[in-house]
Parts: sequence; structure tokens; C-alpha cells
Amino acid sequence: DAGVTQSPTHLIKTRGQQVTLRCSPKSGHDTVSWYQQALGQGPQFIFQYYEEEERQRGNFPDRFSGHQYPNYSSELNVNALLLGDSALYLCASSSGPRGTDTQYFGPGTRLTVL
Amino acid sequence: AQSVTQPDIHITVSEGASLELRCNYSYGATPYLFWYVQSPGQGLQLLLKYFSGDTLVQGIKGFEAEFKRSQSSFNLRKPSVHWSDAAEYFCAVGAYDYKLSFGAGTTVTVRA
Repeated sequence: DAGVTQSPTHLIKTRGQQVTLRCSPKSGHDTVSWYQQALGQGPQFIFQYYEEEERQRGNFPDRFSGHQYPNYSSELNVNALLLGDSALYLCASSSGPRGTDTQYFGPGTRLTVL
Repeated sequence: AQSVTQPDIHITVSEGASLELRCNYSYGATPYLFWYVQSPGQGLQLLLKYFSGDTLVQGIKGFEAEFKRSQSSFNLRKPSVHWSDAAEYFCAVGAYDYKLSFGAGTTVTVRA
């Protein structure tokens, strides 16, 4: 049983560019959450998708957007990249959107903005 | 809004010694509490979780955690540490509004 998968593993972009990160949830899971983990910090919640809708959003600007497909996979898009967007981006999946639904994390995508 | 504090940034422990990692949370209602571990360059692996019931919960890899409502704490313990336990540990609190809020993490170094 495959766990949460993310692609790509690493990515290097320059300021002002746009990036798309992808996530496939664990089998049987229908909810995807995205987190940003800056170096030396804990993950920060970006947003969560359930039933192809953004259910809740953390304190991130509109440059961060997402999408969920009918097969529950998800994308995170970041426009107009800033140096401060350099981080590990983690995707987590769960079998529902509630606080009691345990989130299982993927290995992350390391984004470097130059 | 919920929040988590992990007071210890870095802990060094000898192999075979006991380990305790502290976690304090802030949340107005009954929290859902989690401990995750992250090895270098890896994602987060769930160690254990608490939703309700018995305040002492057992997890994987020999870890346990105790929920103390009066102290707003959810400390993680392991009786005997192995070299492979060297990693970063994150405490997180979940509310009914979907998101997890993480602490800043505690880095554990295991010395031989």
C-alpha cells in the first residue's frame, strides 16, 4: 500500500517564477492538506482540500493556491516566488477533514528560490 | 486558535538512557494531540495520538505520551533510547477546524 507521494523531490527556481508541486494521497484517503516547513521550524498549515474544495486556509497570501482532482490528488501552486518561499513543502492526507482524522505525511518537496 | 510550545530546542541523551520531550498546548476545548518524528531529509512519521479516554497512550517504536489536562501538557517519553531515535520531534494539536498546529520541534541527539 503506497503512502503519500510527492513530486518533485527537489526544485530550484528563481525569484518571480511560478512553481507547481504535486501530491498523491494514501490509498483510501480523500483529504489533502499542505504545509510549509522553513528550515529549523515546525510545519505551518497552508490549506486543506476536501471534495475538491479549499476547506480552510492558513495565514498565507493569495500567491499560494491549490487544486484537488476527482481522484483526490492535489497540486500546490506558488506564483511570483520570493526568496522566503524556500522551504520544505509537505503534503498530508487523511480519510476526512476533521481534527480527529489522522494526517499522514509525504516525504516533501524541497523548494529553493534563488 | 490553538498553539503548541516545545520548550526544549535540543536534547542530548546517552544511548540506553530515558528520554522525555515536553509539549504544552493552548486550546479552549478538548484537543486532539499528536507526536510526529522527522528524520533528516524526510517527511513526518506519526508516533502516537490522543483524542480521548486513557491519558497514557502508547505509540510506535516504544514511545508513550501522557496527557495532563491540568497542566495543558502532552509529554513524550521513551524508557531506553536507541541511536536510531536521533531525529527531530514535533508535537501538534488539532482542532475540529481541520488544521494541525505544530510546535517548533525538539532535536534529539543520541550519544554512544
